[in-house]
Amino acid sequence: EVQLLESGGGLVQPGGSLRLSCAASGFTFNTHAMTWVRQAPGKGLDWVSAISAGGSTTYYADSVKGRFTISRDNAQSTLYLQVNSLRAEDTALYYCAKGGMLGSRYYLDYWGQGTLVTVSS
Amino acid sequence: EIVMTQSPATLSVSPGERATLSCRASQSVSTNLAWYQQKPGQAPRLLIYGASSGATGIPARFSGSGSGTEFTLTISSLQSEDFAVYYCQQYNNWPRTFGQGTKVEIK
Repeated sequence: EVQLLESGGGLVQPGGSLRLSCAASGFTFNTHAMTWVRQAPGKGLDWVSAISAGGSTTYYADSVKGRFTISRDNAQSTLYLQVNSLRAEDTALYYCAKGGMLGSRYYLDYWGQGTLVTVSS
Repeated sequence: EIVMTQSPATLSVSPGERATLSCRASQSVSTNLAWYQQKPGQAPRLLIYGASSGATGIPARFSGSGSGTEFTLTISSLQSEDFAVYYCQQYNNWPRTFGQGTKVEIK
């Protein structure tokens, strides 16, 4: 059974940083791309960042480029999102999701339950 | 970036009725289009990928169609558990983008 367990969220002041983690199990982690998607309270889904299976290729939404860094540790089956220079508009539930097929064009077939990031003074 | 536009924003349907949700892309995404269902307090769940292929375990009453820029999700006979928010997502271009969602509510 595929499981994705996010952690690392919390309350942080504007300008602060956090490191989000997503522990994966139930599939061969190092053969699947991974993605972070966020959802602000009461709002829709917002694609944030993605990383290739090997970790060499990364993509970011313009709204987070230069502030967020996605990475992965395939030996530990863990996905990360380093979030820096946080703003109020980054307040959201952050989901990690598994790429549903091999290659660069993939849907998201499994999602974690999310970790909440709240940016407030 | 490709803008995904869903309509309507809210759809009021009686149980047992058919629901038709639309998703339009600002440029062609071929058939690299997925639909997700999200219930309150839950993570999104994959329903349809490749515009028309049902994900594992998804009931046959859910079907998808379309290609290029126009896509449709149809729920043939709404069950109580189908009242939720539905999102489309293109995975043809970077950055990936979602539609704003369609809420299917009980009429």
